[in-house]
Parts: sequence; structure tokens; C-alpha cells
Amino acid sequence: DTAVSQTPKYLVTQMGNDKSIKCEQNLGHDTMYWYKQDSKKFLKIMFSYNNKELIINETVPNRFSPKSPDKAHLNLHINSLELGDSAVYFCASSQGDSFNNEQFFGPGTRLTVL
Amino acid sequence: AQSVTQPDIHITVSEGASLELRCNYSYGATPYLFWYVQSPGQGLQLLLKYFSGDTLVQGIKGFEAEFKRSQSSFNLRKPSVHWSDAAEYFCAVATYSSASKIIFGSGTRLSIRP
Repeated sequence: DTAVSQTPKYLVTQMGNDKSIKCEQNLGHDTMYWYKQDSKKFLKIMFSYNNKELIINETVPNRFSPKSPDKAHLNLHINSLELGDSAVYFCASSQGDSFNNEQFFGPGTRLTVL
Repeated sequence: AQSVTQPDIHITVSEGASLELRCNYSYGATPYLFWYVQSPGQGLQLLLKYFSGDTLVQGIKGFEAEFKRSQSSFNLRKPSVHWSDAAEYFCAVATYSSASKIIFGSGTRLSIRP
């Protein structure tokens, strides 16, 4: 059973389009995250939700809008895609929002904007 | 602000040889330190973490790391590497004030020579 799953695994789209990436965790965790990993492998947190409430928003452009319909899901919607949005996006989850709660990562979604 | 530096972008070692991956952090107080591994096409997996206490911490897959406050370092070691250890390794730091926000280093790619 996959603990943290993301769909799709690959996403290729044109500039200006709107796209969504879905994330689901079956670990019963109450905190979920989105990270962006750029072409140089640099990994940076974008958002964090605890019990469906936003607790971290790292100055991400408002074209990015996370949505948490329930504790097990955190989807990422991106409007008006730009070339610089090309990256691998990782979802993660943890039990609790403290740093000492291990974060479990999904396999990533590779987004390519043409 | 806290930061993490991994000075080695790519390291190659022979199978069976020992390994040390370097990590330096920048933070005024005691940081909370992590090492993650990312296998090709996969998400990140926690290898080990240091919060307090014994400065030599043991992790999964035979890895260990030592926290040295005087050198602001948290180097990862393994006495004998296996071909399956080939992956990207990330050092990370979190601070009490930043809740679940973890700052990642830029990663070190490990290749194993047969």
C-alpha cells in the first residue's frame, strides 16, 4: 500500500494553462506539505496544512493554490503556468506539525511547462 | 536565517569502501538536524535525525552521523557502502521557532563504483 501517493507522475503542459496535482496519504496523518524541487535538486517547502488549515505559506505566488478537502488530501492547483514552474513537486505528510514528526514523502510529480 | 551547506555536489566511492558526506549548518542556537536519501525517481526518506543528547546518531541502512557544534557540522558516514546506496543525499535543518519548516541543503549525489 502506498503511504503518500501523487497523481499524475508526469505532467507536460503549455505556458498559460491551469493544472492540478493531487496528493493523498493513507497514514492517518494530520499535517501535509507541498515542496518544490528545482532542476538543481534544491528542495524548498511551499505550503503546509494541519487539520485542513494553512500553517505555512512560503511566499509562493498566488497562482499556486493548495486545497485540502480533508485531512488525507492536499491538492495543488496552479494557474497561468510559467516556464519557471517546471520542477518536481513533492507532497509529504506527518503526524503533527512539529519538526520532530517524521515527514513521509510521495514519489513526486514532474511538471514540464513548454 | 538558518541555512545548510553541502559542499560536495557529487561523490564516487567504490563498493565496500567507507563513506563520509559533509554537511555544515548556520544557526545561532542548537539546530535540529536531519539526513534524507532520495533514490532515483523516488521521494525522500528519512535516514536519521539529531535533536539532543548523544552527538553520534544511528540511522537506518547502516548510516550514522555525528553532530559537532564547534564545527557546525553534521556529517553522514557509512563504514562500507553497497551499490544500492547510490542516491541523492540531503542534509536538512529545522529550528524550534519555525515549527515544521525544514530547510534542505542542495544535496550530494553518491555514485558507487563496482
